[in-house]
Amino acid sequence: EAQVTQNPRYLITVTGKKLTVTCSQNMNHEYMSWYRQDPGLGLRQIYYSMNVEVTDKGDVPEGYKVSRKEKRNFPLILESPSPNQTSLYFCASSPQGVGTEAFFGQGTRLTVV
Amino acid sequence: GENVEQHPSTLSVQEGDSAVIKCTYSDSASNYFPWYKQELGKRPQLIIDIRSNVGEKKDQRIAVTLNKTAKHFSLHITETQPEDSAVYFCAGARGGGSNYKLTFGKGTLLTVNP
Repeated sequence: EAQVTQNPRYLITVTGKKLTVTCSQNMNHEYMSWYRQDPGLGLRQIYYSMNVEVTDKGDVPEGYKVSRKEKRNFPLILESPSPNQTSLYFCASSPQGVGTEAFFGQGTRLTVV
Repeated sequence: GENVEQHPSTLSVQEGDSAVIKCTYSDSASNYFPWYKQELGKRPQLIIDIRSNVGEKKDQRIAVTLNKTAKHFSLHITETQPEDSAVYFCAGARGGGSNYKLTFGKGTLLTVNP
């Protein structure tokens, strides 16, 4: 089944403790991106990747890192999480760039205390 | 960068009525405008999209219109049903080549009352 898989689905962590949210797609898509969703603010893009080893900042990249060492994986790294990073995170992939459908993962609800 | 404004933030209609959600964008170079539906507790899913070389697109009960001059686009849902209840997001982007920067509106919570 074609899908985008994120792990974990839920995570509670403490301020400053490094964490990684994984994202994997099995559709051989070139493009992947990360969004955070907050009430009243919609979906905001954190980082995106156009291909292996090619990444770029979205609208809210501060406090996050990403890597794209393989086509299928695009992990999101929070080196030192803070409470303002408490949010619902979505990974998405699409066959090519803008102009093709983005397929979203199930979401990861992160709470930083 | 692109800025997408979406209105209204909440919309309540009776089953069978029509619903209209409107969005405006700031970047005149934007040329791709998708709409996503997100049911409660689920992931966003594409329901329809339109490119700047097209003024209107329909898919059964859903239609999207685009006015490039005024820089606004709208989602129209006719004969609404309770299962249309969800949050709807519009988005805009300057597509082409390897660009993948998609800017979303803040969403509209649509409630269809039986």
